[in-house]
Amino acid sequence: AQSVTQLDSHVSVSEGTPVLLRCNYSSSYSPSLFWYVQHPNKGLQLLLKYTSAATLVKGINGFEAEFKKSETSFHLTKPSAHMSDAAEYFCVVSDIGSARQLTFGSGTQLTVLP
Amino acid sequence: DGGITQSPKYLFRKEGQNVTLSCEQNLNHDAMYWYRQDPGQGLRLIYYSQIVNDFQKGDIAEGYSVSREKKESFPLTVTSAQKNPTAFYLCASRSGNYGYTFGSGTRLTVV
Repeated sequence: AQSVTQLDSHVSVSEGTPVLLRCNYSSSYSPSLFWYVQHPNKGLQLLLKYTSAATLVKGINGFEAEFKKSETSFHLTKPSAHMSDAAEYFCVVSDIGSARQLTFGSGTQLTVLP
Repeated sequence: DGGITQSPKYLFRKEGQNVTLSCEQNLNHDAMYWYRQDPGQGLRLIYYSQIVNDFQKGDIAEGYSVSREKKESFPLTVTSAQKNPTAFYLCASRSGNYGYTFGSGTRLTVV
């Protein structure tokens, strides 16, 4: 069984400053990991995914994440926050069965202050 | 454009009533999923289907039912047996191992 823990339920940053959203995972096998973003009352949009290739993954809108097996972490970063980044972010792990079920973290609400 | 259409966007249900949420995709994806989202929580899997006429229970299937008569359609019925149905419901489909596409969701409120 796999699980995901998002270490912060809320993060506030000022516009133009770096963003760090933390995620730790637990998995009995080499996991596939994702970050999704959700704006209010909307569906989920994929930011980036790690599927056992390069450990530093670049995604859309300037986000990136680094897979660190020794720390079981997959933190999401962005060098400079923009007002439009304000949303909820989910760290997700996929199982390896044929159903490829996703297990979601509880989410981190990112607020960007002007 | 290909995608997933969920309808309605907002739905109100009286206690004791069954309601059906629609999910249609034109992506030609075999696998489809229903998730429930509650405030401050991630998504939890209700049901999933990997092929037509076959589906499996997820983590929180009690009080819900689904059908998969067509590849394009995966409706979810919230029955009166679901004790706390007020939530945001998201439908998804998958291509390949990791190519998930999500709909824009249906917000169900019990009145």
